[in-house]
Amino acid sequence: QVQLQESGPGLVKPSQTLSLTCTVSGGSISSGGYYWSWIRQHPGKGLEWIGYIYYSGSTYYNPSLKSRVTISVDTSKNQFSLKLSSVTAADTAVYYCARDGGYGYPHAFDIWGQGTMVTVSS
Amino acid sequence: EIVLTQSPGTLSLSPGERATLSCRASQSVSSSYLAWYQQKPGQAPRLLIYGASSRATGIPDRFSGSGSGTDFTLTISRLEPEDFAVYYCQQYGSSRSPWTFGQGTKVEIK
Repeated sequence: QVQLQESGPGLVKPSQTLSLTCTVSGGSISSGGYYWSWIRQHPGKGLEWIGYIYYSGSTYYNPSLKSRVTISVDTSKNQFSLKLSSVTAADTAVYYCARDGGYGYPHAFDIWGQGTMVTVSS
Repeated sequence: EIVLTQSPGTLSLSPGERATLSCRASQSVSSSYLAWYQQKPGQAPRLLIYGASSRATGIPDRFSGSGSGTDFTLTISRLEPEDFAVYYCQQYGSSRSPWTFGQGTKVEIK
């Protein structure tokens, strides 16, 4: 059973770079067939898709965040990572990693990490 | 970008009642790529429905989805105590305009 787990600092200073990692267990990113995404949720608000990466390294980002986002993959560690630069208080949110369900659940997120709260504050 | 608008914002119902949640898209959405999620406080969203009407593994049959084009509905036939939560719809448009979510509908105990 595939599981996802986010990790990274819970507090980031304004103007710095937010860095999070998602570790995949119970399955291999390299097996292909799935897009691996980052999604965030501002406190008390809805969900915002940030971007995805495929095992090959191809990426696509939400146009509203594209200039500040980088998603990378390390297949040897079975991890993918998010970097969000020049953060402000508006980037304070719970950050989730999630799997697009592939052929089983086309373009629906069938597996989610538990989420990690990131606060941007000095 | 396709905007999803959910209504109502809050639904106040009693256990055993029927819940009908709406999701309207700003332009036509492929039924193959319309999903519904349930989220409880402090938890990640859980996939309920994909392809507009197919239940994900392990989802009780009291949950059903329907709709096409710009109008989609999630129905909970008889509310159980564990169903009180926030529900989100989500669509996938294309590789150039991927995933967007609705703002959510909260189903609360009346």
